[in-house]
Amino acid sequence: DIQMTQSPSSLSASVGDRVTITCRASQGPGIYLAWYQQKPGKVPKLLIYAASTLQSGVPSRFSGSGSGTDFTLTISSLQPEDVATYYCQKYNSAPFTFGPGTKVDIK
Amino acid sequence: EGQLVESGGGLVQPGGSLRLSCAASGFSLRSYWMNWVRQAPGKGLEWVASIKQDVSEKYYVDSVKGRFTISRDNAKNSVFLQMNSLGVEDTAVYFCARGWHYNDRGTYDWNPFDYWGQGTLVTVSS
Repeated sequence: DIQMTQSPSSLSASVGDRVTITCRASQGPGIYLAWYQQKPGKVPKLLIYAASTLQSGVPSRFSGSGSGTDFTLTISSLQPEDVATYYCQKYNSAPFTFGPGTKVDIK
Repeated sequence: EGQLVESGGGLVQPGGSLRLSCAASGFSLRSYWMNWVRQAPGKGLEWVASIKQDVSEKYYVDSVKGRFTISRDNAKNSVFLQMNSLGVEDTAVYFCARGWHYNDRGTYDWNPFDYWGQGTLVTVSS
C-alpha cells in the first residue's frame, strides 16, 4: 500500500507569515491528492483537491501544488483562524490513505 | 446542500459489537462511493472502509479486515459499519464521508471526500 508522509509534523509561525507543508507519497497518486483542514473539535474540511484546485469558498491564501509523489500546501499569509491540523490524502484508489497531519499554530 | 448524520456510537466492552449508521439528506448517495474514517483521541485521521455505489466493491484498512463490514441501503439513503470483536484500539470518533461520484455519463468525477458527517464516538472499554 502507498504510504503518505508529511513534514513538518508541527509548526509555529507569526500572523502574516508564509507557511509551507509538504506531503510525500511512496508511490505517485497522480494529481489525486487532497488537503483537509481540521480545527480542534471540528469535522475535517476539504481545502484543495486534484493537488491544486481550491474547493469552493476556501480563501485564496491557500494554494496547492505538486504532482507525482511530492505535494505542497501553502498558506500565503497565515491568519489566526488558520490554526488547525492539515492532512493530505490520496484518493486515486483504495486505500484512501491520509498523511499523519501537520499541526499549525500561531507564534 | 448535502448532509451526513452518523449514529450508533457508544460504550462497548472489548470483544463486543456495534453497528454505526450514516444517513444522507439533501442528496442521493446511490451514485456515490461512501466511506468511513476514524480518529482516535488526540490522533490523526485514519481511513477505515469504502463501498462502491453498487456494492460490488468494498475495501478495508488491514487492521479491521475480518472484523468490520461496510454496507449500504440506497433506498434508505444510508450506509452502515458493522463492527465486531472490538478492541480498545478501535476507540475513536467515526466519520462517514462522501467519495467518488458516478456521473450520468457513466464515468467517475474522481472527487475526494467532500461531505463529512459530524462523527459518532465509539469507546471500547471494560
